[in-house]
Amino acid sequence: DAKTTQPPSMDCAEGRAANLPCNHSTISGNEYVYWYRQIHSQGPQYIIHGLKNNETNEMASLIITEDRKSSTLILPHATLRDTAVYYCIVRVARGVSGNTPLVFGKGTRLSVIA
Amino acid sequence: SQTIHQWPATLVQPVGSPLSLECTVEGTSNPNLYWYRQAAGRGLQLLFYSVGIGQISSEVPQNLSASRPQDRQFILSSKKLLLSDSGFYLCAWSWDYGYTFGSGTRLTVV
Repeated sequence: DAKTTQPPSMDCAEGRAANLPCNHSTISGNEYVYWYRQIHSQGPQYIIHGLKNNETNEMASLIITEDRKSSTLILPHATLRDTAVYYCIVRVARGVSGNTPLVFGKGTRLSVIA
Repeated sequence: SQTIHQWPATLVQPVGSPLSLECTVEGTSNPNLYWYRQAAGRGLQLLFYSVGIGQISSEVPQNLSASRPQDRQFILSSKKLLLSDSGFYLCAWSWDYGYTFGSGTRLTVV
């Protein structure tokens, strides 16, 4: 799986958009970009994933650059409950990868400030 | 819908005692199952994964073992706990595009 690079920490004011960047310059054509987050003392939670098109769900939006070498997770209106560690992971989908386990990096610690 | 259960939520065990953590999944068949550990202030470390009954893959050498006696049951064990086994243990199962994690067990070895 391709390696990702994320800033170790970020702050965001409550109510503002949180934009979390991720670099994945060695991404392969069949690899997806996944985002998870881990709130303190809880297990990681799936947020969103995408291949090359931008994606949006009830939690967030994912913007992937045209060359797919970087992406941004956007939380449109951050709340205090969005304070967590956010992980960007690049890997092939399960059906293609077979059973390759998900490997977490260090992620970005997002602090939403009132 | 699929659910994943993990217990106990917290556990305090003396050094040298045995360990058994259980994880069960409902609402799906033949899931891929995983055990992760997170030491205090550290990242998530994959310990074991299983693609079927009796099939266990170990990611790192350690004082722990895993078993999968039934399709939707995954057990993490140790014969003798070490202080370094303290941490937050998470079970997960994978679906087409993601993983769902249990609520975790916080183990403190004293």
